[in-house]
Amino acid sequence: DTGVSQDPRHKITKRGQNVTFRCDPISEHNRLYWYRQTLGQGPEFLTYFQNEAQLEKSRLLSDRFSAERPKGSFSTLEIQRTEQGDSAMYLCASSLAQYNEQFFGPGTRLTVL
Amino acid sequence: AQSVAQPEDQVNVAEGNPLTVKCTYSVSGNPYLFWYVQYPNRGLQFLLKYITGDNLVKGSYGFEAEFNKSQTSFHLKKPSALVSDSALYFCAVRDIENNDMRFGAGTRLTVKP
Repeated sequence: DTGVSQDPRHKITKRGQNVTFRCDPISEHNRLYWYRQTLGQGPEFLTYFQNEAQLEKSRLLSDRFSAERPKGSFSTLEIQRTEQGDSAMYLCASSLAQYNEQFFGPGTRLTVL
Repeated sequence: AQSVAQPEDQVNVAEGNPLTVKCTYSVSGNPYLFWYVQYPNRGLQFLLKYITGDNLVKGSYGFEAEFNKSQTSFHLKKPSALVSDSALYFCAVRDIENNDMRFGAGTRLTVKP
């Protein structure tokens, strides 16, 4: 399967713990995006990479959130000191060029107890 | 900033009947418009996009959408609905100056046999 993959698919953690999610985009795609989706809502943009450069961050991305794409391939999203409000589906997407459609991964569902 | 509205939370149609899922948008510049579909426990799948050119855009699975600049709308349509079309549909918009894509809240389509 050459689509976007995310790991893990599910994560349950206790409040205050740190979690890290991984996204592997489609190999030739240089653009990578992170979104958050809560029940009954559409995905909300979090951040965007072009190659290894993080070019845009949403106001939703508090200082507890950090994302990296060290070699311009896979990306990680870390949430420090998780809160119950962080419970959501975290989606990763990639695209080949600026105006191309984004291809989404299956998401990582985070539950913070 | 760009925004999207999907005025209907739920659309119900009978199999074989035409379907329309509505979307209106707001952007400061030229819009780039997308439709995605989300099946249970699966990631978002790209259906179609409007970047420029013909106002009627054809996409996957027999879906099409009509871009209407004067009404700032991009309604999704299909001439004959299938039960398998039942899913959650998201409209999304971005403009040339932003890399983030704004999604609507989604419309749940139910096609009854």
